[in-house]
Amino acid sequence: DTAVSQTPKYLVTQMGNDKSIKCEQNLGHDTMYWYKQDSKKFLKIMFSYNNKELIINETVPNRFSPKSPDKAHLNLHINSLELGDSAVYFCASSRKKPSGGVVYTQYFGPGTRLTVL
Amino acid sequence: GQNIDQPTEMTATEGAIVQINCTYQTSGFNGLFWYQQHAGEAPTFLSYNVLDGLEEKGRFSSFLSRSKGYSYLLLKELQMKDSASYLCAAPSGNTPLVFGKGTRLSVIA
Repeated sequence: DTAVSQTPKYLVTQMGNDKSIKCEQNLGHDTMYWYKQDSKKFLKIMFSYNNKELIINETVPNRFSPKSPDKAHLNLHINSLELGDSAVYFCASSRKKPSGGVVYTQYFGPGTRLTVL
Repeated sequence: GQNIDQPTEMTATEGAIVQINCTYQTSGFNGLFWYQQHAGEAPTFLSYNVLDGLEEKGRFSSFLSRSKGYSYLLLKELQMKDSASYLCAAPSGNTPLVFGKGTRLSVIA
């Protein structure tokens, strides 16, 4: 059973195009995240949603727009793709958002490798 | 500020023991995570320490010293399949998880 799934797994596109990546989790979690892992394998958080509400937006260009239609789904739309957007994008989820010093383990999807030509 | 440091690469022999160190500086402290990431795959959860000391889980153990801002992951009886990147991560301020750059472990015969 897939816990956190993403589509597509690979995405190759031209500069200037607009593309979307979809993420779904069947763990019943309230909180979902998007991470970017660059060519040096550095994993950095981009966004976090809790119950469809944006709670974290980490200095990401506004060409990136996350959307959460319900708490099991978090999609990432990217406008006007640039070469520097080439990376692996990981979706993750956790039972709840961190609160009052309590943190929850994050579970990651398989990643989407985006290549911008 | 926030900073998580770990060695970039390590090599160890099959059957041996290896210790991967991590030092951290975070805004507040709410525990420390270790994840394993095989090439081309997702990070998978290994351990979470919030109290000082050693926690053992089969061949893998994780240690934390909050006063020293230090953790390590200990892998025993190394197997070829343990070749992967090991990521140290911790919550910091409003950021749920800040990751270190990962330690790429190569297990050789």
